[in-house]
Amino acid sequence: QSALTQPASVSGSPGQSITISCTGTSNDVGGYNYVSWYQQHPGKAPKLIIYDVNNRPSGVSTRFSGSKSGNTASLTISGLQAEDEANYHCTSYTVSSTQVFGGGTKLTVL
Amino acid sequence: EVQLLESGGGLVQPGGSMRLSCAASGFTFSNYAMSWVRQAPGKGLEWVSAISGSGETTYYADSVKGRFTISRDKSKNTLYLQMNSLRAEDTAVYYCTKKREDYGDVGTFDCWGQGTLVTVSS
Repeated sequence: QSALTQPASVSGSPGQSITISCTGTSNDVGGYNYVSWYQQHPGKAPKLIIYDVNNRPSGVSTRFSGSKSGNTASLTISGLQAEDEANYHCTSYTVSSTQVFGGGTKLTVL
Repeated sequence: EVQLLESGGGLVQPGGSMRLSCAASGFTFSNYAMSWVRQAPGKGLEWVSAISGSGETTYYADSVKGRFTISRDKSKNTLYLQMNSLRAEDTAVYYCTKKREDYGDVGTFDCWGQGTLVTVSS
């Protein structure tokens, strides 16, 4: 099972919006609405911020939103804040009843 | 409050074995599937293995199939990962995770432990 494809890095200024893409295949991202996103600050465990493509767990800021088109899922962060600087990981359920992650994207807030 | 506490990591030689444990609390352990996810130094996350709430069904990534065994003990609210024939590429922080929904075996992880570092080196 090949890893999902994410950009290695993205950046934005405070107040701006950024989007991180996550590209898979019809055997994972394109075939199921089971894409989730995790935020990970250095040295910390990942934190769930989006599940089932576009749902936010309780307590997660509304500035985080998710979507999917075909084999590509996306995470959008609006109104960037300094605290959003972190690594972001996407993952999807697969046709083999396994889970596959992307390589992770480092977000820098300029 | 849901808590997951991993233990058992450390330094092991190539070809060696190690067992990781994850003590769970704050939820009905047997109702939820659990997974192990690892992260090599400076790298992304990699799903390793999952086990159903009952413990009857297990799933493995191709990279560990035949070498790792996941299990759980309902009486101790503890998840395990037995790792055999360890390789340098198994070096990583291993996280214990809980599935968000109380149905299905593989999917969204809503709670993560703090992780335990496994280093495979001679």
